[in-house]
Amino acid sequence: GDSVTQMEGPVTLSEEAFLTINCTYTATGYPSLFWYVQYPGEGLQLLLKATKADDKGSNKGFEATYRKETTSFHLEKGSVQVSDSAVYFCARAGGTSYGKLTFGQGTILTVHP
Amino acid sequence: DVKVTQSSRYLVKRTGEKVFLECVQDMDHENMFWYRQDPGLGLRLIYFSYDVKMKEKGDIPEGYSVSREKKERFSLILESASTNQTSMYLCASSFARGDGANVLTFGAGSRLTVL
Repeated sequence: GDSVTQMEGPVTLSEEAFLTINCTYTATGYPSLFWYVQYPGEGLQLLLKATKADDKGSNKGFEATYRKETTSFHLEKGSVQVSDSAVYFCARAGGTSYGKLTFGQGTILTVHP
Repeated sequence: DVKVTQSSRYLVKRTGEKVFLECVQDMDHENMFWYRQDPGLGLRLIYFSYDVKMKEKGDIPEGYSVSREKKERFSLILESASTNQTSMYLCASSFARGDGANVLTFGAGSRLTVL
């Protein structure tokens, strides 16, 4: 079945460090891919998305590129801030099942001043 | 600016009790979802609904049921709560079709503890 695998966490960085969170997905079809973020005490919210191969999603300084050849959608940010501390979830759409997303296990990011 | 409201942020229940988790959205979304969130497991889909009085099982429906009597409201029911249902429950909604269907709006979550 569909699955999404994220890098093991948690991740702890100093402010202005470079961030990469790895994500790979099962190659069933050509699903849309997403990164959702959950700030402390809040529900998840969409961070960025990509709907086809080689698309790059971007938002708030974060980027991720849809790589069909490696079935990956890694999240990157060049310079993290304390306010980026959150849990990040990679997700893939479920083919024709609208809105039925499969999520990775989540990666906790903590950024220190 | 609240769009998806979950009625209870924290609940403590006893084993065997019947538990209702309520979710209301004000965006006129057709699709509604219930997920549970557990550390190291991410989010797992329990049930979802594409229309009023319609429901479909997700990946882990055992021990749960749902009700959707009105478009804006989607309830999750634990008929007889068990300790392994202690978790964070997240409600979400989205538009019916197309790319917007995969852009989920989540509530803040309901943390359930079953003793």
